Amino acid sequence: QVQLVQSGPEVKKSGSSVKVSCKASGGTFSSYAISWVRQAPGQGLEWMGGIIPIFGTVTYAPKFQGRVTITVDGPTSTGYMDLTSLRSEDTAVYYCATYVDTTAYDYWGQGTLVTVSS
Amino acid sequence: EIMMTQSPATLSVSPGERATLSCRVSQGVGAKLAWYQQKPGQAPRLLIYDASTRATGIPARFGGSGSGTEFTLTISSLQSEDFAVYYCQQYNDWPRTFGQGTKVEFK
Repeated sequence: QVQLVQSGPEVKKSGSSVKVSCKASGGTFSSYAISWVRQAPGQGLEWMGGIIPIFGTVTYAPKFQGRVTITVDGPTSTGYMDLTSLRSEDTAVYYCATYVDTTAYDYWGQGTLVTVSS
Repeated sequence: EIMMTQSPATLSVSPGERATLSCRVSQGVGAKLAWYQQKPGQAPRLLIYDASTRATGIPARFGGSGSGTEFTLTISSLQSEDFAVYYCQQYNDWPRTFGQGTKVEFK
């Protein structure tokens, strides 16, 4: 059974950066495609980008291109999402997700609240 | 970018009734569409993938249909635990995109 455990809540100042981690256990990490999805308070789900470690390919949503970097560390089975130039609109819960047994996101992290204050 | 439009935004239903949720896609995605359920304070949960296949452990009262640009999630007889927000998502093209959600609330 795959589990994704994310790092804890963050409070950041406008203009700074945040790095959220997502540690996977169970299964073969290198074969997972890790994606990041965020949800602003009271809003819907927004796909930010994803990485397929076994191929080394990364894709970002145009809205976040240039501000987000998604990486993985194979030996620790951990994925990372780095978001720079934070603004108040980036206040959201950030989720990592992957697909293992299906073709859609069947495993999700618990979410990490990032609060951006001025 | 593929746009996803869900309707209605809110659906008021009584327990035991049938709920029908719609997802319209701006360009054809074949059957590469998923449905998720999300309850307050929780991560989304996968219900349906490949438009009509139930994920493991999902009750048979949840059904998905459609292909191309028009998709439907049907909950045949609403239970109390089904009151939640439902999202559709396409994974046929990059970037992946979600609908804005349909809230199923108690009537």
